[in-house]
Amino acid sequence: GAVVSQHPSWVICKSGTSVKIECRSLDFQATTMFWYRQFPKQSLMLMATSNEGSKATYEQGVEKDKFLINHASLTLSTLTVTSAHPEDSSFYICSARGGRGFNQPQHFGDGTRLSIL
Amino acid sequence: AQSVTQLGSHVSVSEGALVLLRCNYSSSVPPYLFWYVQYPNQGLQLLLKYTSAATLVKGINGFEAEFKKSETSFHLTKPSAHMSDAAEYFCAVSLGGSQGNLIFGKGTKLSVKP
Repeated sequence: GAVVSQHPSWVICKSGTSVKIECRSLDFQATTMFWYRQFPKQSLMLMATSNEGSKATYEQGVEKDKFLINHASLTLSTLTVTSAHPEDSSFYICSARGGRGFNQPQHFGDGTRLSIL
Repeated sequence: AQSVTQLGSHVSVSEGALVLLRCNYSSSVPPYLFWYVQYPNQGLQLLLKYTSAATLVKGINGFEAEFKKSETSFHLTKPSAHMSDAAEYFCAVSLGGSQGNLIFGKGTKLSVKP
């Protein structure tokens, strides 16, 4: 149980393109979804937190107009990297948590490797 | 404020040897602690969690961790390493509240030698 599907797993695109990444909870309702960015050989950096039907809460230093997050349903959140540039190249990982309470674990997708040429 | 420190960015053990990955936390409230494993080019998989029940927590793949409040530690152990255990391991503490954001340690890469 608690499967999170992230799609696509790898994207290569030209500079200036917008890229959408989907995160779906397959067998549970995700009241909260998280988006992380991970640089090579580093830990995960939280970008934003979203609750279904609400605006995302962005961490300090993360441009909300650059990284658009939509959490339209209890099973789907999307991250759109707008007008992507080479410095946006990274590994993006989503996670989802069902229920309320901070003792509930986050379940992670397999990540999306984004390469901007 | 909550924080997590993982001692040792890289740990190497021989197959069959004991695995010990260290994690110390700092938290102003009773912590909720997690260990995750990440295989190359994949997301994170939950190994185990501590949520104020038993202090010795058993997880998947033969891993376990013991919560020691006096030492503010939550070290991950496995009695006998297997080649398939080679991966990156992250310790995390929950920030609490209804959002429950996680603070991750910097990770420890485990290598297993044949």
